[in-house]
Amino acid sequence: DSGVTQTPKHLITATGQRVTLRCSPRSGDLSVYWYQQSLDQGLQFLIQYYNGEERAKGNILERFSAQQFPDLHSELNLSSLELGDSALYFCASSADSPLNEQYFGPGTRLTVT
Amino acid sequence: AQSVTQLGSHVSVSEGALVLLRCNYSSSVPPYLFWYVQYPNQGLQLLLKYTTGATLVKGINGFEAEFKKSETSFHLTKPSAHMSDAAEYFCAVTASGGSYIPTFGRGTSLIVHP
Repeated sequence: DSGVTQTPKHLITATGQRVTLRCSPRSGDLSVYWYQQSLDQGLQFLIQYYNGEERAKGNILERFSAQQFPDLHSELNLSSLELGDSALYFCASSADSPLNEQYFGPGTRLTVT
Repeated sequence: AQSVTQLGSHVSVSEGALVLLRCNYSSSVPPYLFWYVQYPNQGLQLLLKYTTGATLVKGINGFEAEFKKSETSFHLTKPSAHMSDAAEYFCAVTASGGSYIPTFGRGTSLIVHP
């Protein structure tokens, strides 16, 4: 158990819809990262938050957004969903240093039909 | 900028055989290197990491990796494969003074035959 929790575990929705994925980081970690994992693209970094502030952006679409709340949990919002958004979405947390490994949650499997 | 190349998207070995998963990196500053493992339907978990000091790093489940600066490599090995080692393995790099965001390789799927 990594200490990172994600809900829901599975999500099935239709094209054009909007969903929210939730993540609670490991106790004491201020950094939260979101990743998308698909067969064709591999593991893609989306966005990082540190203590409530956006710190880094990766390959995140404009239809996607995220935030980190005062209690440090984070939400990833995906809107105007397309079939190609079907993927595993992981949240990870870490202490704030490049020396430190990331702790990954179990992921949310999103299926867009 | 940094990058990671994992040679071979699939590696197949027999149970009891040597496991060798290859990772080459590029980084303009001294790198920090990680190997993660992903079992089916789970998130990634750390196997081992190299930051500074001893270049041969031992991790969990009998895995080890050696940092070779001259070859820009960080290959993962295990002397004797178990069926339970079947998983996806990811090499990743961060760098001191650079982005804290790790760059991950595409992953190597390890298949273990009985």
